[in-house]
Amino acid sequence: DSGVTQTPKHLITATGQRVTLRCSPRSGDLSVYWYQQSLDQGLQFLIQYYNGEERAKGNILERFSAQQFPDLHSELNLSSLELGDSALYFCASSIGGENEQFFGPGTRLTVL
Amino acid sequence: AQKITQTQPGMFVQEKEAVTLDCTYDTSDPSYGLFWYKQPSSGEMIFLIYQGSYDQQNATEGRYSLNFQKARKSANLVISASQLGDSAMYFCAMREGGINDYKLSFGAGTTVTVRA
Repeated sequence: DSGVTQTPKHLITATGQRVTLRCSPRSGDLSVYWYQQSLDQGLQFLIQYYNGEERAKGNILERFSAQQFPDLHSELNLSSLELGDSALYFCASSIGGENEQFFGPGTRLTVL
Repeated sequence: AQKITQTQPGMFVQEKEAVTLDCTYDTSDPSYGLFWYKQPSSGEMIFLIYQGSYDQQNATEGRYSLNFQKARKSANLVISASQLGDSAMYFCAMREGGINDYKLSFGAGTTVTVRA
């Protein structure tokens, strides 16, 4: 158990819908990262937050957004969902921006 | 261009033997970090080992060691005394930039199957 929690574990929805994925980092970790893992794209870094502020953006679509709240939990919002958004979404946390990251169990999103 | 290259899509190893997973990387950033993660069939990502670009010694964590050859831009993972529970997908990843311009790139992964 990495100490990072993600909810829900599974999510099934329809195209065009909007969903919110939630992540709670390990106690004491200030950085939260979001990743998408799909069969065709592999593992892709989406976005990083550090102590409530966005710090880095990767291959995140404009339909996707994220935020980190004062209690350091983070949410990833995915809107206007398409079939290709079906993937495993991981959240990870670390103390700062350079240290090893610890991954949550992931949320498996299926868009039908 | 690929930032991280893992050329072995799949490998078989006999239980109790050692296995080396290849990873080469491409960066012009003088400060970077290299990670290895394990992903079992259950799907979770498990951190294994980290090597900073300025670290003088190769990183080791239990049965895992990282063979870091900076001039060759390679960061191979060695798993010694393989166990059945080592069967999984293994990802090499590289961090570039610092806290304000962080980038993390993953390789395509190598599937390891340990045979009894």
